[in-house]
Amino acid sequence: QQQVKQSPQSLIVQKGGISIINCAYENTAFDYFPWYQQFPGKGPALLIAIRPDVSEKKEGRFTISFNKSAKQFSLHIMDSQPGDSATYFCAASSRGSTLGRLYFGRGTQLTVWP
Amino acid sequence: GAVVSQHPSRVICKSGTSVKIECRSLDFQATTMFWYRQFPKQSLMLMATSNEGSKATYEQGVEKDKFLINHASLTLSTLTVTSAHPEDSSFYICSVSRLNTGELFFGEGSRLTVL
Repeated sequence: QQQVKQSPQSLIVQKGGISIINCAYENTAFDYFPWYQQFPGKGPALLIAIRPDVSEKKEGRFTISFNKSAKQFSLHIMDSQPGDSATYFCAASSRGSTLGRLYFGRGTQLTVWP
Repeated sequence: GAVVSQHPSRVICKSGTSVKIECRSLDFQATTMFWYRQFPKQSLMLMATSNEGSKATYEQGVEKDKFLINHASLTLSTLTVTSAHPEDSSFYICSVSRLNTGELFFGEGSRLTVL
């Protein structure tokens, strides 16, 4: 059973546009929600993360929105650039479980057209 | 700079041979490291949790005799793919967890091709 559901599977955005990727989870014990960016042939890199005590976190052009009641969180990439073209994974974990045991979404392949 | 170092980045071997992949935590001591496997255009699949000084915990369906994990120090874990076959060809990635924050950092991955 997929613990974290991610959509869309692929996304095409024009340069300067907003990219939005959504994730949903069921396990209410999850209390850490990171996003990872992965370029082809490379390991995932931590992009931004949020804990459920806040509803939004912003770092530069990247924003996580978190809706605890709906058990959903999303990544917004403002002013999308061709260099943002990569695969993005959302994930979730619980401090009560094995520390660092992350459950990943299936990934979203983002393509930003120049 | 890099938090996790993984080596080798690419390895090609003949069927039946064994391959060792190293994962080093560069910034902090890691009592727990994780090994993932990733197929093309797919998500990361957790293979096992590597615990320093004790046996690794394998996920369901992962053969522990095929994928040997050793976590002999607080900064080094190794994954050995024994008697590799073409179906073991994949991208293997390790990760380490920063205890006080729970952040998970990944290595650059190792592309294994078994001929």
